[in-house]
Amino acid sequence: DAGVIQSPRHEVTEMGQEVTLRCKPISGHDYLFWYRQTMMRGLELLIYFNNNVPIDDSGMPEDRFSAKMPNASFSTLKIQPSEPRDSAVYFCASSRQTGELFFGEGSRLTVL
Amino acid sequence: GNSVTQMEGPVTLSEEAFLTINCTYTATGYPSLFWYVQYPGEGLQLLLKATKADDKGSNKGFEATYRKETTSFHLEKGSVQVSDSAVYFCALSPSLAGGGNKLTFGTGTQLKVEL
Repeated sequence: DAGVIQSPRHEVTEMGQEVTLRCKPISGHDYLFWYRQTMMRGLELLIYFNNNVPIDDSGMPEDRFSAKMPNASFSTLKIQPSEPRDSAVYFCASSRQTGELFFGEGSRLTVL
Repeated sequence: GNSVTQMEGPVTLSEEAFLTINCTYTATGYPSLFWYVQYPGEGLQLLLKATKADDKGSNKGFEATYRKETTSFHLEKGSVQVSDSAVYFCALSPSLAGGGNKLTFGTGTQLKVEL
């Protein structure tokens, strides 16, 4: 089983640029979560989807952040324009209705 | 709202020492409780879980008991190894089933085990 696949693993960009992070959840999982991890704030839930529909986006920090899930096997998290304070590790995770959360290896974003 | 409080790290132990990482929670109803582990450069992995009061979760020598009276879920291991060095996260889910709902995580506790 492939697990949750995220890309890119590392991204370095300049302030003001658009950043797109990608996630492929485990096949058959109908929940998908985006988390952000920083030293200062720990793990924060940004948004989650059920059957490709956004259920709770209250954790999205501001309008610069957007997330989509066009189908059951793909999701994106976009930041436009990016700022240095967005530097963090972004994790995607998926689960079934009942069962554990499986995390990807994360995308480390550095905004200069 | 729901919240999880963990002891601050880093915790540094010698190999074969006894480990306790404290975790307390605030939640309404009957949450499910989890411990996740994050090894360097990797995502989080489920270590163990408990879905109702007095349940004990266990895995790889680690244990935690769901104590509703003290709202705690402390992680313990009798004899740690260097390979246990990682960051440990306590988490809760408002769902009895424990899946498909958003988890609330603690801030994580870094464990360093030395020879």
